[in-house]
Amino acid sequence: QSVLTQPPSVSGAPGQRVTISCTGSSSNIGAGYDVHWYQQLPGTAPKLLIYRNTNRPSGVPDRFSGSKSGTSASLAIGGLQAEDEADYYCQSYDSSLSRSVFGGGTKLTVL
Amino acid sequence: EVQLVESGGGLAQPGGSLRLSCAASGFTFSNYVMSWVRQAPGKGLEWVSSISGSGDSTYYTDSVEGRFTISRDKSTNMLHLRMNSLRVEDTAIYYCARDPTDIVATPGFGPWGQGTLVTVSS
Repeated sequence: QSVLTQPPSVSGAPGQRVTISCTGSSSNIGAGYDVHWYQQLPGTAPKLLIYRNTNRPSGVPDRFSGSKSGTSASLAIGGLQAEDEADYYCQSYDSSLSRSVFGGGTKLTVL
Repeated sequence: EVQLVESGGGLAQPGGSLRLSCAASGFTFSNYVMSWVRQAPGKGLEWVSSISGSGDSTYYTDSVEGRFTISRDKSTNMLHLRMNSLRVEDTAIYYCARDPTDIVATPGFGPWGQGTLVTVSS
């Protein structure tokens, strides 16, 4: 059971927009800690996709965007492409556990 | 270009030891928090340990506290993870990761290395 809750899977057709939710609590996202998002393509290392809620590292397309509100955060992917098929993880910090925590991951399927 | 290259993984027996290393380049090593994150086969990501830029502060997840030791060498830009009293459940790919920024903020991970596989089995 992950501290941050993500849907196990989402899907969308090429060109569509999908969102992935990340639900936390008052000891992590709700406490004001930032949320980071990672993309893990099959068989590869994770890659930072969004940091500090809304910021994209250099080289990440602006089709990817992040938001945060209350005890939740969301990752939006617009103009879906076949190469977006991957696992996506959210991550924050939990003050009760005194450690970084990840969501369980969401598998994105491009139909 | 930031590069993180892990080494040192392999097969160890339960109760045994391994030392993982991560060679860092392309950035001012001492300015960034560095971390180890692991991923068990077919599972999600789990934070293991972090160390401050100066090396003065270290942090561990509960399951490895007292068994693993994180360290860094600023003269060689190397990050290490000494793993003692290994358990079957420590089997995972271990990734070295840098914090995204050099400011004090919510810990994060990125860029990442390619990972090194640790298998604990008799």
